[in-house]
Amino acid sequence: ETGVTQTPRHLVMGMTNKKSLKCEQHLGHNAMYWYKQSAKKPLELMFVYNFKEQTENNSVPSRFSPECPNSSHLFLHLHTLQPEDSALYLCASSQVRGKGYTFGSGTRLTVV
Amino acid sequence: DQQVKQNSPSLSVQEGRISILNCDYTNSMFDYFLWYKKYPAEGPTFLISISSIKDKNEDGRFTVFLNKSAKHLSLHIVPSQPGDSAVYFCAASEADGGATNKLIFGTGTLLAVQP
Repeated sequence: ETGVTQTPRHLVMGMTNKKSLKCEQHLGHNAMYWYKQSAKKPLELMFVYNFKEQTENNSVPSRFSPECPNSSHLFLHLHTLQPEDSALYLCASSQVRGKGYTFGSGTRLTVV
Repeated sequence: DQQVKQNSPSLSVQEGRISILNCDYTNSMFDYFLWYKKYPAEGPTFLISISSIKDKNEDGRFTVFLNKSAKHLSLHIVPSQPGDSAVYFCAASEADGGATNKLIFGTGTLLAVQP
């Protein structure tokens, strides 16, 4: 499988649940990103990992916890989310010094 | 504060005509600009980019123009085709010696090309 793969595609969770989003890339990239897309808002950068090290945390609440065990995998652990966290969560990858991202198809998250 | 702005949430164009999508930015440190296209239920895909040392970049039907003094860029699609109907995102990154390639995105413009 090639490109950037995100699972699950859709997720509905209660505010007390704990879930994880997964992202995997087979492009040989060494940087990975989490973005959030809410209606009528720009894509918001959440986290950046370069060579498995987190280099950016864009003031994201602690109920979102990223994990990057290696350059090919990125997780977003979710716990005690709020309904306003409902959004499309997009993973992307690139070379650290490259300028183009490859995005996954996203996980549509609904918090009830 | 939004550093990349796409003030038109939507645009409707007839097939065969030119589509012009606009983007404004506020950060003078941005040195690289990209356009991404997004279909429903898919992630954004890279379309075309331009470096701040240029004022125009062309790739087939797509041309991006950059006006640094106005902090404005635009994407021209000509001729427009129904398959171009999608959300178009403008993105920018800072001149930081290549230390990171953090992209800042606009809100997107929904283009509808009418047959």
